[in-house]
Amino acid sequence: QQQVKQSPQSLIVQKGGISIINCAYENTAFDYFPWYQQFPGKGPALLIAIRPDVSEKKEGRFTISFNKSAKQFSLHIMDSQPGDSATYFCAASSGTSGTYKYIFGTGTRLKVLA
Amino acid sequence: KAGVTQTPRYLIKTRGQQVTLSCSPISGHRSVSWYQQTPGQGLQFLFEYFSETQRNKGNFPGRFSGRQFSNSRSEMNVSTLELGDSALYLCASSLSGRAGKETQYFGPGTRLLVL
Repeated sequence: QQQVKQSPQSLIVQKGGISIINCAYENTAFDYFPWYQQFPGKGPALLIAIRPDVSEKKEGRFTISFNKSAKQFSLHIMDSQPGDSATYFCAASSGTSGTYKYIFGTGTRLKVLA
Repeated sequence: KAGVTQTPRYLIKTRGQQVTLSCSPISGHRSVSWYQQTPGQGLQFLFEYFSETQRNKGNFPGRFSGRQFSNSRSEMNVSTLELGDSALYLCASSLSGRAGKETQYFGPGTRLLVL
């Protein structure tokens, strides 16, 4: 119940295309869903995050879509660029019961072809 | 403001040895979390420290331990190393560790190779 399942494992997209990464969770206590971007040799960095009270959040070319009933959320990268080539992790956390930890997905390696 | 720093960046050890990794959080951050990153498992939570106290622990064997000092710097130790401990170990800091309430910043990691 603590897992966050992420797919696909890897993704190749043409420049200008849309990249879509999906995540699913079981624990309904999760109330915060961030996405992290990681470049080789670097630690993950927060990209965008959403709470279950909204169905969509957009920041620039990055959009999170959230489906509370299906317990799924996804990251959409519009107009994908070669500079977006990185590994993306979804995560979930709960602000209740003092868990103070994030559960991460297994990651998606995105390659955007020039 | 300087980011999260981790030392060393790379480490090679042999089975049975022990290793200590160090993490210096962003100035003012009192919460430090540790994660193990492997290609097949993604990021797995090891433990979280706040004000020198371990508040939460992941599902790792007792060979993995940590501590936090009064200046918020943290160390993690792995004893009796096994081949499967080869991984990137990431440290993350935040102001008070309130997941979902504040941003967690990651360091670049320490890549450990166990031969």
